[in-house]
Amino acid sequence: QVQLQESGPGLVKPSQTLSLTCTVSGGSISSGSYYWSWIRQPAGKGLEWIGRLSTSGSTNYNPSLKSRVTISIDTSKNQFSLKLTSVTAADTAVYYCARDGITMVRGAANYYFDYWGQGTLVTVSS
Amino acid sequence: DIQMTQSPSSLSASVGDRVTITCRSSQTISSYLNWYQQKPGKAPRLLIYAASNLQSGVPSRFSGSGSGTDFTLTISSLQPEDFATYYCQQNYNTPWTFGQGTKVEIK
Repeated sequence: QVQLQESGPGLVKPSQTLSLTCTVSGGSISSGSYYWSWIRQPAGKGLEWIGRLSTSGSTNYNPSLKSRVTISIDTSKNQFSLKLTSVTAADTAVYYCARDGITMVRGAANYYFDYWGQGTLVTVSS
Repeated sequence: DIQMTQSPSSLSASVGDRVTITCRSSQTISSYLNWYQQKPGKAPRLLIYAASNLQSGVPSRFSGSGSGTDFTLTISSLQPEDFATYYCQQNYNTPWTFGQGTKVEIK
């Protein structure tokens, strides 16, 4: 059973960089054709996909955040990470890491978030 | 970006009721549509992928249908543990986008 766990500071000052790590257990982060995503949710609001990467290094980012986001992977530690620069109060949210599961339906790849971390609250405040 | 719109935003229902939630995309997305359930303080849980495929371990009272731009999540007989917020999500094009959520409350 794959498990994901987010870790990192719960409080970040405005204009600084938010850094989170997701540790994957119960399987190798390198196995299969999976992508690994970050998703966030401000309190009382909906879900926003931040971006994802594959173990081959391919990345996709949400254009709304692309200039500030970097997602990287450390296969030796079975971890992937999120860096979000120049944060403001609008970046305060629960941050989730998740696996992009994949299934082929009529020859096309369908992705879905099949495993999630429990989420970690990051507050941006001075 | 593809916009996802759910309706209703909230609903009240009783145990045993049949509940239907709809999701509409701003452009055609074939069957690239997933459904999630989220309870307070918890991560979302995958219910349905590729519009109509039940994720392993999810009760059969949940079902999904639709293609193109219009999709439906149905709970055939609402159970106490089903009171939660439900989200649709498209995986046709990045950025992946979610609906705003539908909160299912106890009547």
